[in-house]
Amino acid sequence: AQTVTQSQPEMSVQEAETVTLSCTYDTSESDYYLFWYKQPPSRQMILVIRQEAYKQQNATENRFSVNFQKAAKSFSLKISDSQLGDAAMYFCAYTRRGQGAQKLVFGQGTRLTINP
Amino acid sequence: KAGVTQTPRYLIKTRGQQVTLSCSPISGHRSVSWYQQTPGQGLQFLFEYFSETQRNKGNFPGRFSGRQFSNSRSEMNVSTLELGDSALYLCASSWTSHEQFFGPGTRLTVL
Repeated sequence: AQTVTQSQPEMSVQEAETVTLSCTYDTSESDYYLFWYKQPPSRQMILVIRQEAYKQQNATENRFSVNFQKAAKSFSLKISDSQLGDAAMYFCAYTRRGQGAQKLVFGQGTRLTINP
Repeated sequence: KAGVTQTPRYLIKTRGQQVTLSCSPISGHRSVSWYQQTPGQGLQFLFEYFSETQRNKGNFPGRFSGRQFSNSRSEMNVSTLELGDSALYLCASSWTSHEQFFGPGTRLTVL
């Protein structure tokens, strides 16, 4: 079974600084997707960034980027120029690629605090 | 496009009762997945429906069931509620496996 592990229950960073959230996963599949979701206090899950396993290039979305190390099964999220609105729970998630592969496996989450 | 909507947003039930939660996906999305979120167990996959058929199922007891209608709207039902069923129930819709869009959730409290 696939598993996703986030080893940092909580992280904090000063506004405008950079923070990296860690995620490791375990799977025997070779083709899959990895995601970072953000869940603010409103509880609405928001997709931050997506990485296809077959792509070697790391995904980037504005201030958010990932470091995808397929051999090491590592998928970290870097947030640059942190803003107060970035404060939230961040979840790393995995799903295999293919028809019917809609099951997301989530990590336990990392609570990110932004200090003004 | 309107996002994923879930009703009701909050629900309070007592042990032994049953409950039905509703989810309307984004227009054009045919897959609807349900997740349970609790402080202890985190986010866990319940089941997924596609074109009115259950395509995936998580490791939950038979008290948890669901269905999907021809317009892709989905309902999940929990019978004989237990205290441990108190959770945030999230619904997500998707067109492909590479992006799921979540609704705001239904907060269920079982007393």
